[in-house]
Amino acid sequence: DAGVTQSPTHLIKTRGQQVTLRCSPKSGHDTVSWYQQALGQGPQFIFQYYEEEERQRGNFPDRFSGHQFPNYSSELNVNALLLGDSALYLCASSLPSAGTEAFFGQGTRLTVV
Amino acid sequence: DQQVKQNSPSLSVQEGRISILNCDYTNSMFDYFLWYKKYPAEGPTFLISISSIKDKNEDGRFTVFLNKSAKHLSLHIVPSQPGDSAVYFCAASELAEYGNKLVFGAGTILRVKS
Repeated sequence: DAGVTQSPTHLIKTRGQQVTLRCSPKSGHDTVSWYQQALGQGPQFIFQYYEEEERQRGNFPDRFSGHQFPNYSSELNVNALLLGDSALYLCASSLPSAGTEAFFGQGTRLTVV
Repeated sequence: DQQVKQNSPSLSVQEGRISILNCDYTNSMFDYFLWYKKYPAEGPTFLISISSIKDKNEDGRFTVFLNKSAKHLSLHIVPSQPGDSAVYFCAASELAEYGNKLVFGAGTILRVKS
């Protein structure tokens, strides 16, 4: 049973560019959330997708957008990259109900230069 | 405003002894709490969770205690093993229609010495 998979694992982009990160949820999960983890900090919630719609959003600017596909996989897009966007981006999948654990992928390490 | 705080950046414990990791929260609307373990170059791995209607949950060597009046939870690992050395994150969430929006603490680095 494949867990949560993310691609790519590492990425280097130039300031001002755009980036797309991809996530496939754990089998049986239909809710996908994205988190940003800066160095030395805990993950911060970006947004959550269920039934191809954004359902919850954290305190991130509109430069961060996403999409969920009919097969439940998801993309995170970041436009106009800033140096401060350098972080580990984590995807988590879960069932669409409260009180259930989220399972995380290994993350995508984004470096903006 | 940090709603979930792990005030100890690191903890060192001898193999076989108890490890106690602590977490405080400020949002009284949180009703579900989780602990995750993270190794370098891997994503967080779910360890154990507790609902606000309970004050204790146990799973093998791991026990989580919740004190709602103090807004405090702790993770006990007994006995500690060298393979437990990792970063431990406390997370909390409110009841939400579409699943959990997790709020994480900054993590505690646990080192178990053999």
